[in-house]
Amino acid sequence: QVQLVQSGAEVKKPGASVKVSCKASGYTFTSYAIHWVRQAPGQRLEWMGWINAGNGNTKYSQKFQGRVTITRDTSASTAYMELSSLRFEDTAVYYCARERYMDVWGKGTTVTVSS
Amino acid sequence: QAVVTQEPSLTVSPGGTVTLTCGSSTGAVTSGHFPYWFQQKPGQAPRTLIYDTSNQHSWTPARFSGSLLGGKAALTLSGAQPEDEAEYYCLLSYSGARVFGGGTKLTVL
Repeated sequence: QVQLVQSGAEVKKPGASVKVSCKASGYTFTSYAIHWVRQAPGQRLEWMGWINAGNGNTKYSQKFQGRVTITRDTSASTAYMELSSLRFEDTAVYYCARERYMDVWGKGTTVTVSS
Repeated sequence: QAVVTQEPSLTVSPGGTVTLTCGSSTGAVTSGHFPYWFQQKPGQAPRTLIYDTSNQHSWTPARFSGSLLGGKAALTLSGAQPEDEAEYYCLLSYSGARVFGGGTKLTVL
């Protein structure tokens, strides 16, 4: 069945970078874009950006522009979200979702920023 | 960046009807914003209920419907069930970039 499997939890120090992966299975990876969404503890969902898995084109939220980079490896059917210059407030669960009407979501990756 | 607004909280009686709304700081919400509605329960990933204003996924209970109402996107729940108690988020598209609303905590009581 269609699945998005995300990488495991991460603990990072302020100023570091984190790279979260999202491996797709059960469909042709290049047929749909992948969104990245995050949710800080007790807070709202935040859309971070997306990547066209076919041609690699990206679009980012203004809030994260300059700090986030979304890439993909078509040979591995995997999308990646890298967030740099981490701050304490970047502590959140990071989700990927398939752009077929956002029908499939990963289970989320917890990123903790702590000194 | 646009700001998307939702009611912070609403309460509905079991079996009752409630409408959640989703507004945009840029003006009226239209079908061109491709409104989405998500349901999220504690500790779970969001689940998409409605896409492109009014389209349901196969798993969306028929009691949920989406529309445009008075310049906003709307999610109407008709015949609320206890299991509908959750946080609901809308998502609007602005030339490809997306913005979530602040969420509505729906209580079924």
